[in-house]
Amino acid sequence: GNSVTQMEGPVTLSEEAFLTINCTYTATGYPSLFWYVQYPGEGLQLLLKATKADDKGSNKGFEATYRKETTSFHLEKGSVQVSDSAVYFCALNVGANNLFFGTGTRLTVIP
Amino acid sequence: DTAVSQTPKYLVTQMGNDKSIKCEQNLGHDTMYWYKQDSKKFLKIMFSYNNKELIINETVPNRFSPKSPDKAHLNLHINSLELGDSAVYFCASSQVLGASTDTQYFGPGTRLTVL
Repeated sequence: GNSVTQMEGPVTLSEEAFLTINCTYTATGYPSLFWYVQYPGEGLQLLLKATKADDKGSNKGFEATYRKETTSFHLEKGSVQVSDSAVYFCALNVGANNLFFGTGTRLTVIP
Repeated sequence: DTAVSQTPKYLVTQMGNDKSIKCEQNLGHDTMYWYKQDSKKFLKIMFSYNNKELIINETVPNRFSPKSPDKAHLNLHINSLELGDSAVYFCASSQVLGASTDTQYFGPGTRLTVL
């Protein structure tokens, strides 16, 4: 089947710390992979995506590389800011009718 | 300029009532979706719909029904509301149905509270 596993949160970091949020997946077929972010009180926004193996998605200083050999799509940022505090969702799409989401990881960045 | 909009943002109602949530997208997309986010933030698809096909998640009770007056709108109607229906409901849209590379754009969500 199709599923996404994310690291359990919450994650609390100091400003300027390095961030990694792990995401692994199982999929039938060849999925595209996505990271969405949900800021407090808001809807989901696409953060970045990768559509084939070895692609790197990047946006706002965040990066994730589609690793087919390890079925992973870990999210990284070199220096987090308070404004990055949010819930981050890893998701996959295999060309079915919906996204399969991970459980979300809450990030809190403290000054 | 809002790409995907939903109304209302908050909805508080009594058990047994019938309610609707409206969704509109101005992106010219062919496909729209409804997702439910539970209290633990887990997101699960309820429906996907384009002008040709409605795909229903089989775990969704038939008290929930999507209604699409036109391509830009997909409303969610809920009959006989139950306590367990309390959640945040997100509408989304994408260009096509069934394309794995296609990005889904989400609305701001509707927080439904059933008392």
